Amino acid sequence: QVQLVESGGGEVQPGRSLRLSCEASGFTFNNYGFHWVRQAPGKGMEWVGVIWYDGSKKYYADSVKGRFTISRDDSKKTLYLQMNSLRVEDTAVYYCARDLGTGNIRTNWFGPWGQGTLVTVSS
Amino acid sequence: QSVLTQPPSASGTPGQRVTISCSGSSSNIGSNTVNWYQHLPGTAPKLLIYSDNQRPSGVPDRFSGSKSGTSASLAISGLQSEDEADYFCAAWDDSLSGWVFGGGTKLTVL
Repeated sequence: QVQLVESGGGEVQPGRSLRLSCEASGFTFNNYGFHWVRQAPGKGMEWVGVIWYDGSKKYYADSVKGRFTISRDDSKKTLYLQMNSLRVEDTAVYYCARDLGTGNIRTNWFGPWGQGTLVTVSS
Repeated sequence: QSVLTQPPSASGTPGQRVTISCSGSSSNIGSNTVNWYQHLPGTAPKLLIYSDNQRPSGVPDRFSGSKSGTSASLAISGLQSEDEADYFCAAWDDSLSGWVFGGGTKLTVL
């Protein structure tokens, strides 16, 4: 069964750091790129960033660039999101999702997604 | 405010056909493919339609997608109670160099 499971969420103070994990199962992890997507309370989805299947490229949304870092450990079939200098506006449910498609990011899609992990940034 | 615009809500009775729209611009929908997802709060979003109008295996043919210019639509025919969920669209945006999403449409089956 193809599955992604996020963990590591919780409540943290502004300015602090948190690392999220996304463990994959049911498929060959190192054949795929992965995305992080978040949804703030009452808001729509917001793309956070992507890491290529071989880790060679990473792209981020402007809202997190310089603060968040995506990495992967293929031996553990795990994707990570290191979040530094957290802000109140980073409060959201964070989802990981596998990248699927033809190899052209402009025409790709996401599937499956994990169930999400909640990050709350509050003093 | 989301880059792609969707109506916040839609509704229909069992058996009806409903359509959910997704409006964008030349830098996203107008030049790239659109994907649709179904999301029940607290669960993992599920891919419904990819590449404008393609259904993954396992998705009923009651679900269909279309695109014209800078707008896309998701149609659900033969509405069922289990279709009650949030639906959102997504596309790559060339100007932002990133993925953009619609704000989501909450579908209620009356």
